[in-house]
Amino acid sequence: AQSVAQPEDQVNVAEGNPLTVKCTYSVSGNPYLFWYVQYPNRGLQFLLKYITGDNLVKGSYGFEAEFNKSQTSFHLKKPSALVSDSALYFCAVRDMGGPGGGNKLTFGTGTQLKVEL
Amino acid sequence: KAGVTQTPRYLIKTRGQQVTLSCSPISGHRSVSWYQQTPGQGLQFLFEYFSETQRNKGNFPGRFSGRQFSNSRSEMNVSTLELGDSALYLCASSLDAGARGGYTFGSGTRLTVV
Repeated sequence: AQSVAQPEDQVNVAEGNPLTVKCTYSVSGNPYLFWYVQYPNRGLQFLLKYITGDNLVKGSYGFEAEFNKSQTSFHLKKPSALVSDSALYFCAVRDMGGPGGGNKLTFGTGTQLKVEL
Repeated sequence: KAGVTQTPRYLIKTRGQQVTLSCSPISGHRSVSWYQQTPGQGLQFLFEYFSETQRNKGNFPGRFSGRQFSNSRSEMNVSTLELGDSALYLCASSLDAGARGGYTFGSGTRLTVV
């Protein structure tokens, strides 16, 4: 089965500084990887995905992620953090292991990002 | 275009009751998935439907069931509610069977069982 790991429960960064939220994955075959953000009492908002192609993926709100096959990582980055980026971030991998050929997303445990003035 | 719509947004039910949650996917999307989010267990997959067929099911008891209609709208039902069923239930839709376009999530239904 596919899995992702987010080793940090919380990341603190000062506004204006670069931020990194870490994610490593374990898959068989080529991975479909995703980053989502969740604000309090809301659903998941899509940030970016890696399916194939360039290892550097650009997404919404100035976020980007780098796919590293040798390190099996897909870290989320932003050059300059904003207080409004404070939220819960989830890394996910598409798992095609369903008996009927179905898909599902397997999520990491989430990383709480706190950006302070 | 309209996003994924989940109704209701909030529900309070009593133990032993049953509940039905609704999800309307993005127009044209044929795949609908359901997830349960709790502080203790995180995000867990419930089931996935494509063209009215359940293709994948998570590790939940039989009290959890779902279906998809011909217009791709989906419902999930939980019978004999338990306190532990209190959670945010999220629905996601995808355009195609392989989900290459990714998944779009609704705002969720917050279920509280008392």
